Amino acid sequence: GQNIDQPTEMTATEGAIVQINCTYQTSGFNGLFWYQQHAGEAPTFLSYNVLDGLEEKGRFSSFLSRSKGYSYLLLKELQMKDSASYLCAVGDDKLIFGTGTRLQVFP
Amino acid sequence: DSGVTQTPKHLITATGQRVTLRCSPRSGDLSVYWYQQSLDQGLQFLIQYYNGEERAKGNILERFSAQQFPDLHSELNLSSLELGDSALYFCASSVGGSSGELFFGEGSRLTVL
Repeated sequence: GQNIDQPTEMTATEGAIVQINCTYQTSGFNGLFWYQQHAGEAPTFLSYNVLDGLEEKGRFSSFLSRSKGYSYLLLKELQMKDSASYLCAVGDDKLIFGTGTRLQVFP
Repeated sequence: DSGVTQTPKHLITATGQRVTLRCSPRSGDLSVYWYQQSLDQGLQFLIQYYNGEERAKGNILERFSAQQFPDLHSELNLSSLELGDSALYFCASSVGGSSGELFFGEGSRLTVL
């Protein structure tokens, strides 16, 4: 079976740093993906980890530990436009999404 | 703009009816995926096609069916519609057949009354 867990909601302040955690249990694995989805819009790709470690991409970084079934997305220098849902997804023979973490950034 | 085109953007219909949702993938992409997203729910994987063949199947209801045509566009058919089928249906595409970076269309919002 497959199970992906992430917090339902988080709040943070503009300019701060926030870490969104994701744990997963899947029968197969060929990568861990993070997507951003603004309300009513299509998800857009943020990052991809296939090996353990940290991948940095501007203000966003993603970390993976395959042995622990754990990933996190780190968002730095938060901006109001970062208010969105962040979806953790695990690649198996298909891409399975978690239910997402709704992040609200306050001034 | 992801390059993935979905039509129609909005659709309102009655219970028991049948609808067809259409998706054109990005140029060069061979895989098409269909996802359902209900209110406050995550993206539920329905089905994937790669170069015209069914590649992977999720929890797709028997009332739903899909296909990918030779020109690589795909259609999702939803029949005997129920109120609970009201959702946003996303199509996504990727170059290869294995899960990777997906490019999503803007979705088709289906409302069943």
